[in-house]
Amino acid sequence: ETGVTQSPTHLIKTRGQQVTLRCSSQSGHNTVSWYQQALGQGPQFIFQYYREEENGRGNFPPRFSGLQFPNYSSELNVNALELDDSALYLCASSAPSGGLQETQYFGPGTRLLVL
Amino acid sequence: QKEVEQDPGPLSVPEGAIVSLNCTYSNSAFQYFMWYRQYSRKGPELLMYTYSSGNKEDGRFTAQVDKSSKYISLFIRDSQPSDSATYLCAMSRGGSNYKLTFGKGTLLTVNP
Repeated sequence: ETGVTQSPTHLIKTRGQQVTLRCSSQSGHNTVSWYQQALGQGPQFIFQYYREEENGRGNFPPRFSGLQFPNYSSELNVNALELDDSALYLCASSAPSGGLQETQYFGPGTRLLVL
Repeated sequence: QKEVEQDPGPLSVPEGAIVSLNCTYSNSAFQYFMWYRQYSRKGPELLMYTYSSGNKEDGRFTAQVDKSSKYISLFIRDSQPSDSATYLCAMSRGGSNYKLTFGKGTLLTVNP
């Protein structure tokens, strides 16, 4: 069974640029959630995708957007990067069934530095 | 007031000690409670998962949930240097709402 993978592992961008981060969910999982983890903080929920539709969004501006593909992989796009966007971006996959909470399994993250 | 409060530590203990990690929360709608372990520069790894109040044991780890006090704990028995990591509590309302709300994390060091 393949776990959650993310690419790239590290990324350096300058303020104002755009970035795309990628995530492949664990085999059999159809739900992907994205989190932002600033240094010394817990992860903050950005949004979740279920069967290619956005299924909940945290307190992040519209310049954070996402996609989920038919194979359940996902992208996180951030436009007009700001210095405060520097963080570890985590993807988590899960396989909800019957409307019950299912555990979320995290990937290793993409570390983004905005200069 | 943050929805989930967790003492960031750091916490340093000798090998073999019993470790107690705690979180408090304010949202009474939370029903699912998790503990994740995160090694430096890695993604969080699920350790324990509990629904509603009660205790759950898995090897050296015990998770406790007291919904009446809005308080959750993780106990680690016979702590090992390999347990050195940041421990994150997380919780969710469950159902169709899968958003996880995390604490800040507690940095634990177990000294040989």
